[in-house]
Amino acid sequence: SQQGEEDPQALSIQEGENATMNCSYKTSINNLQWYRQNSGRGLVHLILIRSNEREKHSGRLRVTLDTSKKSSSLLITASRAADTASYFCATDGEHDMRFGAGTRLTVKP
Amino acid sequence: EADIYQTPRYLVIGTGKKITLECSQTMGHDKMYWYQQDPGMELHLIHYSYGVNSTEKGDLSSESTVSRIRTEHFPLTLESARPSHTSQYLCASSESGFPTDTQYFGPGTRLTVL
Repeated sequence: SQQGEEDPQALSIQEGENATMNCSYKTSINNLQWYRQNSGRGLVHLILIRSNEREKHSGRLRVTLDTSKKSSSLLITASRAADTASYFCATDGEHDMRFGAGTRLTVKP
Repeated sequence: EADIYQTPRYLVIGTGKKITLECSQTMGHDKMYWYQQDPGMELHLIHYSYGVNSTEKGDLSSESTVSRIRTEHFPLTLESARPSHTSQYLCASSESGFPTDTQYFGPGTRLTVL
């Protein structure tokens, strides 16, 4: 069953703007990961944040984690048309990782 | 790009046919996974394996079967394809069996059953 739920389901912005996506989950976690999926392709790992971390950066990506609210956010700064993709959060389940339904980001040039 | 490969990338087949979707990885990873994903929807885990001769069913009930005879190879078979099997199938692997491990995905096979 699904663990993480992304919000919004779809987001459309102009190139150069920042994009923020949110993820909420139900049970306690060891870590949370964000993945990206280009249309018709497999997922690519972007960043992992551990449960004892509050914020993490990687290039233009900034991830926050609030374990008290069971939520995480992914911020993409200075977005580019090439950032157009679906973004998924994933949390660790009993035997495997659980993925949400994703946020579909469209960056218009 | 991860060293995990899936063939074919696209497959259109008639109802009742037997098909095998291939997945192989050259990273020496123990754990491998198969997910089913409809367009714009979440991923559903249908099978996983901890290593050679290990196969487990995932959360989503599936009529498919898998085998793991070699570490690098994790094929998925549908004995009799039906239109309800039309979907994208994603294979992934991770270095260890821990749920916290990063997963590496193949490009997927888009299956259409007529």
